[in-house]
Amino acid sequence: KAGVTQTPRYLIKTRGQQVTLSCSPISGHRSVSWYQQTPGQGLQFLFEYFSETQRNKGNFPGRFSGRQFSNSRSEMNVSTLELGDSALYLCASSNGQGAHEQYFGPGTRLTVT
Amino acid sequence: SQKIEQNSEALNIQEGKTATLTCNYTNYSPAYLQWYRQDPGRGPVFLLLIRENEKEKRKERLKVTFDTTLKQSLFHITASQPADSATYLCAPRGTGGGNKLTFGTGTQLKVEL
Repeated sequence: KAGVTQTPRYLIKTRGQQVTLSCSPISGHRSVSWYQQTPGQGLQFLFEYFSETQRNKGNFPGRFSGRQFSNSRSEMNVSTLELGDSALYLCASSNGQGAHEQYFGPGTRLTVT
Repeated sequence: SQKIEQNSEALNIQEGKTATLTCNYTNYSPAYLQWYRQDPGRGPVFLLLIRENEKEKRKERLKVTFDTTLKQSLFHITASQPADSATYLCAPRGTGGGNKLTFGTGTQLKVEL
């Protein structure tokens, strides 16, 4: 099975711009979660989508949003970028049931200048 | 508030020795606890899951224990190798609530020749 893929892998944006990141989960996985990782805050949960519905949300401002399509692919959007949004954004997929492990993608490295 | 603590100091050990990493949690009653490995610039990789009614779980050179009284999990790597050098993350979670994972800060392990 192909793993979780994320595009783009690297991105440089300017403050005030917006950005859209994409994630394709493992085939058959219906749950997609997004995480932000920074040296200072570690790995923090952004939100989870399951069958096109947001099932969980972390403590991030409304500038961070996401969606999931019928084929389980997901996108996350960050509007009005701030310098502090520079981070590694990770997407993880799972079959969405029970305590099953999550499979992470390689991440998108976002740099805001 | 819920808190997850892992050894903040990097752990340096000699090849062939057993590495022991600690995960302590407070204000949590997790039903499961997961351990992940993360290499620099890459997404975490699932290693092991242990349930609250399991005292110990093994997989090849890896062993995890879960003490719900002490609110602690220990992660052991026996006969450690330089290739085991990475950051190890724990993520306790309850039942339900979808796939939201809250990770510890991670412990960086370095295995030296």
